[in-house]
Amino acid sequence: DIVMTQSPDSLAVSLGERATINCKSSQSVLYSSNNRNYLAWYQQKPGQPPKLLIYWASTRESGVPDRFSGSGSGTDFTLTISSLQAEDVAVYYCHQTYNIPFTFGQGTKLEIK
Amino acid sequence: QPQLQESGPGLVKPSETLSLTCTVSGGSINSSNCYWGWIRQPPGKGLEWIGSIYYSGSTYYNPSLKSRVTISVDASQNRFSLNLTSVTAADTAVYYCAKQRGNSAYYPLDYWGQGTLVTVSS
Repeated sequence: DIVMTQSPDSLAVSLGERATINCKSSQSVLYSSNNRNYLAWYQQKPGQPPKLLIYWASTRESGVPDRFSGSGSGTDFTLTISSLQAEDVAVYYCHQTYNIPFTFGQGTKLEIK
Repeated sequence: QPQLQESGPGLVKPSETLSLTCTVSGGSINSSNCYWGWIRQPPGKGLEWIGSIYYSGSTYYNPSLKSRVTISVDASQNRFSLNLTSVTAADTAVYYCAKQRGNSAYYPLDYWGQGTLVTVSS
């Protein structure tokens, strides 16, 4: 199984500041035939299902604010929130769909400082 | 945009079978040309992919659950289902159904149901 490891486990950032969450996979999730990284980011607020933010490592889902961005390739990935808003408080998960079983990171809890 | 709704018993006894249904509205499973999946989340914990199905019935399962899981589709009722046999307390979780973003099980999950809590207890 591909193990997805996120860092940090929790993060406190001031409003308007940048938040950065990292995700490392135990093996590459880059599919060479189409040059896509099979890596997505989700946001989950309490009592709600996860919401897709980013897929193919850096493609923003329709309707997601442009302060959210994804980067990285191969085994190392980053989710960046450029200017933290109060509504961004949530748990964030990375998710690989390169190999079965598809696996998620353990989650990063983002709070306001 | 599609809407998904999970339904089924909220309490299941140990060793029995957990059965859930996901009803899709706002679009046809037949014409969606995409995969549909089940994911679960134990209380206070992370997410686990259970499996995915295409409208034609093609399935992919998590090997850790494969011996106990069956996912099926009923396109005429626009719904798909999850059966998990021989449940234990470790199967207590919120179960989500979701749509995958395209005609591959390897695509991300773009629409999710609200989830349903299933507790395994005698």
